[in-house]
This record gives sequence, structure tokens and C-alpha cells, in this order.
Amino acid sequence: SSELTQDPAVSVALGQTVRITCQGDSLRSYYPSWYQQKPGQAPVLVIYGKNNRPLGIPDRFSGSNSGNTASLTITGAQAEDEADYYCNSRDSSGNHLEVFGGGTKLTVL
Amino acid sequence: QLQLQESGPGLVKASETLSLTCTVSGGSISSSSYYWDWIRQPPGKGLEWVGSIYYTGSTYYNPSLKSRVTISVDTSKNQFSLKLSSVTAADTAVYYCARRTTTVTSDWFDPWGQGTLVTVSS
Repeated sequence: SSELTQDPAVSVALGQTVRITCQGDSLRSYYPSWYQQKPGQAPVLVIYGKNNRPLGIPDRFSGSNSGNTASLTITGAQAEDEADYYCNSRDSSGNHLEVFGGGTKLTVL
Repeated sequence: QLQLQESGPGLVKASETLSLTCTVSGGSISSSSYYWDWIRQPPGKGLEWVGSIYYTGSTYYNPSLKSRVTISVDTSKNQFSLKLSSVTAADTAVYYCARRTTTVTSDWFDPWGQGTLVTVSS
């Protein structure tokens, strides 16, 4: 089965831009989805498909992909963006199996 | 607005079977556009996909759990369920149910249930 690799922790100064990355072979074939999770809460979808935001997600969140690496970019990070972020993709087998990255803890300084 | 709600015992004894149900409201579980998934998160750790079911009953399981997992659907009740047998302390986690949308090039989970903590006791 596939694996998705994320940096365990990333920090960003308030108002600056931060990129959270996700690497894995399945990303050569499938776009990932990205989830934000705050303590004690369920994950929330922030990016899906090529670069789509669900209703209610601020436009400072965007996604991009290159080869086996996908990125979630927050342009002008806010204090409320401090959270854990997870990427997810279909397994490279394509057989309706799913895989999550290990998560990235974002700290807004 | 579609909502999902997990229910079931919060405490399960080791070696027994964990059973949870997800009730879907605000939409039909029989929609051909979606799959219905279980995802879990051990305390302080990351998300792990457990498995999925389509309304026709087709199932897909995480290979690491496949021998112990059964997911079923009851379209008359708009519910789907998870059974995990022979549990150990490693199965202690918050269990989420979620709707999965699948396209040719991407999948995504939205919405999610609020999650329910299941603790395995010895």
C-alpha cells in the first residue's frame, strides 16, 4: 500500500506564507485532499481535487501538486490557522483504498 | 445539510468486538455518488483509514485491519456500521465516520461525524 509523508511540525509568523508538503507515489496519479484539525475537534476539509475549497474555507488556503509532492499553502497565516493538517489520497493501487499522511502541526508565531 | 453521528459503547474489553453505528441525516445513504467510511485516530496520533462501504454493500478495508473488520450498511435506517473483532489496547481511538466523494482523479471526506472515543480495557 502507499504511504504519504509529511513534516511533523512547521511554524510561520503571523501574516506570513507557509507551505505544508505531502509526499507519496500515489500523488503522481491522484490529487490529495487536505484537512485541518483543531484540538478536540473532527477534521475539516480545506482543499480537495486539483485546488478546490469547500464553502466557508478562506481563500488564503490553496493547493498545488508537482510529481510526487503536494503542497497546502496558507497565504497570510492567521492565529486561527494553528492546527494539525493532514493530507489524504487514494492508494496508488486505485482499489478504493485510502491513505493519510502522518500530519503536520502548524504553529503560528 | 448532511450530518453524520457515531454511536456505540465507549468501553470495550480486550479480545471482544467493537461495534459502532453511524447515522446519516439530511441525505440518503443510497446515493450513487458517495461512499461511507470509517477513520480512526489513537490519542495523540494521526488519522488512520479503517474502511469503506458503498450503498450496494461493496466494502473496502485497510489491509492492516482487514482480517478483523466488517462494515455493513442498512439503507432502511440510513445507517452504516463498523465491527472490529479481537480488539487490543492499540485499537483505543476516536472513531469517525465520514462521507467520501470519489472522482477519477481524487477522493475527499466531507462531512465528518463528531467522533466517538472507544477505549479498550484489559
